[in-house]
Amino acid sequence: EAGVAQSPRYKIIEKRQSVAFWCNPISGHATLYWYQQILGQGPKLLIQFQNNGVVDDSQLPKDRFSAERLKGVDSTLKIQPAKLEDSAVYLCASSKTSGGARTGELFFGEGSRLTVL
Amino acid sequence: EDKVVQSPLSLVVHEGDTVTLNCSYEVTNFRSLLWYKQEKKAPTFLFMLTSSGIEKKSGRLSSILDKKELFSILNITATQTGDSAVYLCAVQGLNNNDMRFGAGTRLTVKP
Repeated sequence: EAGVAQSPRYKIIEKRQSVAFWCNPISGHATLYWYQQILGQGPKLLIQFQNNGVVDDSQLPKDRFSAERLKGVDSTLKIQPAKLEDSAVYLCASSKTSGGARTGELFFGEGSRLTVL
Repeated sequence: EDKVVQSPLSLVVHEGDTVTLNCSYEVTNFRSLLWYKQEKKAPTFLFMLTSSGIEKKSGRLSSILDKKELFSILNITATQTGDSAVYLCAVQGLNNNDMRFGAGTRLTVKP
């Protein structure tokens, strides 16, 4: 079974530029999450989708971050304009049911490391 | 505000030692507590705990939850260098099943 795919793996941009990350979850997984992990910290939830609907985006800085999952499968996360403090690893995760209710297991991609100069 | 606090933040031990990692939480409408291991890349699932006092075991790793005192511990016995990683604790709420992570404990096991 293929895992969660993310791209690009690494991205370096200057502040005020824009960047987009892509995620393809495990086939059949209804729930998709984007997390931001700053160095030395635990992952912080940015947005959670159930199919193509947003379940929770309360911690998404909506003035600069946006995310979509139009067809309920793959998803993109965009930052525009980027700030220095956006430097982090952006992790995408998926689960079969909402929150992986039966097993509690989220399957994570390898992440996209963003450096903002 | 919901929060998850892990301690210690980092720990250095030698092979063969036993370690105990701690996770305390405050969350409304608690559903479950999960432990993940994160090496250089993505976190991988270890345990999910929903009931107090029931130990989960997998090889040299074990974990238990205390819902009255709002904490969990993760034990690793006979540590090996391959156990070196960041161990993340996450708490899942009933509301939308969102998962809130602690900052992690960085474990280094020296030969």
